[in-house]
Amino acid sequence: AQSVSQHNHHVILSEAASLELGCNYSYGGTVNLFWYVQYPGQHLQLLLKYFSGDPLVKGIKGFEAEFIKSKFSFNLRKPSVQWSDTAEYFCAVTPGGYQKVTFGTGTKLQVIP
Amino acid sequence: ETGVTQTPRHLVMGMTNKKSLKCEQHLGHNAMYWYKQSAKKPLELMFVYNFKEQTENNSVPSRFSPECPNSSHLFLHLHTLQPEDSALYLCASSQDLAGGTGELFFGEGSRLTVL
Repeated sequence: AQSVSQHNHHVILSEAASLELGCNYSYGGTVNLFWYVQYPGQHLQLLLKYFSGDPLVKGIKGFEAEFIKSKFSFNLRKPSVQWSDTAEYFCAVTPGGYQKVTFGTGTKLQVIP
Repeated sequence: ETGVTQTPRHLVMGMTNKKSLKCEQHLGHNAMYWYKQSAKKPLELMFVYNFKEQTENNSVPSRFSPECPNSSHLFLHLHTLQPEDSALYLCASSQDLAGGTGELFFGEGSRLTVL
């Protein structure tokens, strides 16, 4: 069975700082990878996803993630965070072609103005 | 507006009560899911329905009983719960179970407290 590890549980950054949130998964076959975001008091929503092709994917609000197959990683990045990026971020994986999605424990990001 | 509506948003119940959570999706999706979100734990998949047929029960205790009368509605019936069942219960939908865009659309959740 697949699993997802997010090693940073709580990250605090100042505005304009760069962000990188780690995500590692364990699954030997083809995978689809996702980052979801949950803003305070709001529903979980898709930030970006990787299915195939260019391993560097761009999402909404200036976020991007890079799939490194050899490292089983899909880290989320943003060059300059804003206060409005304060949220909880979840990495998720599903085997290619099937939507049993496995989520990580989430990383709470707090951006200080 | 997410297209997936959950009611009630908050629920407090005793261990002997019977209550139900409701989920409705307005997206024309074929698959619906119940997830449990607890602090410091990954989202736990509970049940999966595809074209209103249950395709997955992730070893969920029988005190949780799902019902899917049609592709747009999903219920979670609760009976004789334990305090450790207190959590945020999330409903989600997707266009299809296999393949597709892979995107899950979540409701805002029902916050359950068991006393």
